[in-house]
Amino acid sequence: AQSVAQPEDQVNVAEGNPLTVKCTYSVSGNPYLFWYVQYPNRGLQFLLKYITGDNLVKGSYGFEAEFNKSQTSFHLKKPSALVSDSALYFCAVSPTSGSARQLTFGSGTQLTVLP
Amino acid sequence: ETGVTQTPRHLVMGMTNKKSLKCEQHLGHNAMYWYKQSAKKPLELMFVYSLEERVENNSVPSRFSPECPNSSHLFLHLHTLQPEDSALYLCASSQELGIGYEQFFGPGTRLTVL
Repeated sequence: AQSVAQPEDQVNVAEGNPLTVKCTYSVSGNPYLFWYVQYPNRGLQFLLKYITGDNLVKGSYGFEAEFNKSQTSFHLKKPSALVSDSALYFCAVSPTSGSARQLTFGSGTQLTVLP
Repeated sequence: ETGVTQTPRHLVMGMTNKKSLKCEQHLGHNAMYWYKQSAKKPLELMFVYSLEERVENNSVPSRFSPECPNSSHLFLHLHTLQPEDSALYLCASSQELGIGYEQFFGPGTRLTVL
C-alpha cells in the first residue's frame, strides 16, 4: 500500500525568504506525485504534479517541486515566499500501474509566511 | 473559484436525523469522489464513481450512502450518524478515473453531528 509522510505539521518562514515543504512517499513501482493547497474555508486546489520526465516540476503561483527517486521525496519549494502563500499544503501519491486508482494524501503542512 | 460546488456549506444534525450532501461539477469530468477531512489527519477517500458507477468503497460505514444519478451530480446521504462523523466532507472530480489526472475539489460541507 502506498503512503505519504509530511514530517512537519507547521512551517514558518519570513516573507521574501525561500520556502520548502517536505514530502516523502512509499509506493510500489513508479509514482505519480501531486501537491495541493488548501486556503481557509476552501477545498483543495491543484498546484503541480510529477508524471514523468524532468525531475523539476513547475506549477502555479511560482511553486516548484523536485522529484528525487533515490530519496523517495517530492519537496515543494518557492524562491521567495509571500504572505498570501500561508495555507495548508498536501502532498499526494498514486502508483502508475496496478489496480489502485486512488490518491493517498499526507496529513498536511501548515505554512505560515510572516510579514 | 473551482468548477465544483457543494451544498450546504454547513450542516448541523442530530444523531437520528437524515440529511443529504450535494455536489455538482461543471467541468465535464467523468469521475467523482467523496473525501472526509478531519483535523490533523490525512484525507480519507470514501467513495469513487466513474461514469455514474461506483468503483471504490473504502470500508465506509453503511450510515453513509452515496448516489450518482449522472456524471455531473453526486450525493452523500446521511442517517444515524455519530459525533465522530463530524468533519469536512469534500467532493472532487477528475477528467477520467485513471491515475495521473489531477482532481478538482469543491469547498466542502462542514458537518457537525450533535
